[in-house]
Amino acid sequence: DGGITQSPKYLFRKEGQNVTLSCEQNLNHDAMYWYRQDPGQGLRLIYYSQIVNDFQKGDIAEGYSVSREKKESFPLTVTSAQKNPTAFYLCARPLGGTGSSYEQYFGPGTRLTVT
Amino acid sequence: AQSVSQHNHHVILSEAASLELGCNYSYGGTVNLFWYVQYPGQHLQLLLKYFSGDPLVKGIKGFEAEFIKSKFSFNLRKPSVQWSDTAEYFCAVNGDFGNEKLTFGTGTRLTIIP
Repeated sequence: DGGITQSPKYLFRKEGQNVTLSCEQNLNHDAMYWYRQDPGQGLRLIYYSQIVNDFQKGDIAEGYSVSREKKESFPLTVTSAQKNPTAFYLCARPLGGTGSSYEQYFGPGTRLTVT
Repeated sequence: AQSVSQHNHHVILSEAASLELGCNYSYGGTVNLFWYVQYPGQHLQLLLKYFSGDPLVKGIKGFEAEFIKSKFSFNLRKPSVQWSDTAEYFCAVNGDFGNEKLTFGTGTRLTIIP
């Protein structure tokens, strides 16, 4: 699995509910990333974290929140404030150690459907 | 801010045809460039990358890309495509040293007809 897991693979929620997506890595990397993928729009960065207890907004952070209490975990909460939450969500980690590589390895993704 | 443009949204080719997918980026400094591929039902995976040196880089599965600095381009090529190349292809750029934050293009869906 490349050291990064996301669960669940599919998630269904009713409009107005918050939902938390899981991302776990077991390779002791400092950095982790959340992207959103929509048809015809590519991947857009939501949040990223370069170290425990610190994270930065990406390009489309509105309506999302994250935490980074442990190095191995970077959960993403899609709040009811997110206007178009239905999407494919991808978590990523650097391919090498921080600063040694600018490649990213992606998890399998979670497809969220909100109705 | 950095940005990436992929002008081909959907490309349909027959097997054995040659492929070239366009990618242009906008960033004033030194860049790292990537092509990622997403096969149906699979993880997004790295196809090839350019950091420095020879501007013609070779990746997996016979793909290559050429970095042309004067044109801000990093086009992906393959001389003879196969049905198994059917996938979505994303160009990405990293221009902010100190972190691995990537900016992606909108993607090109490639369909190969047997």
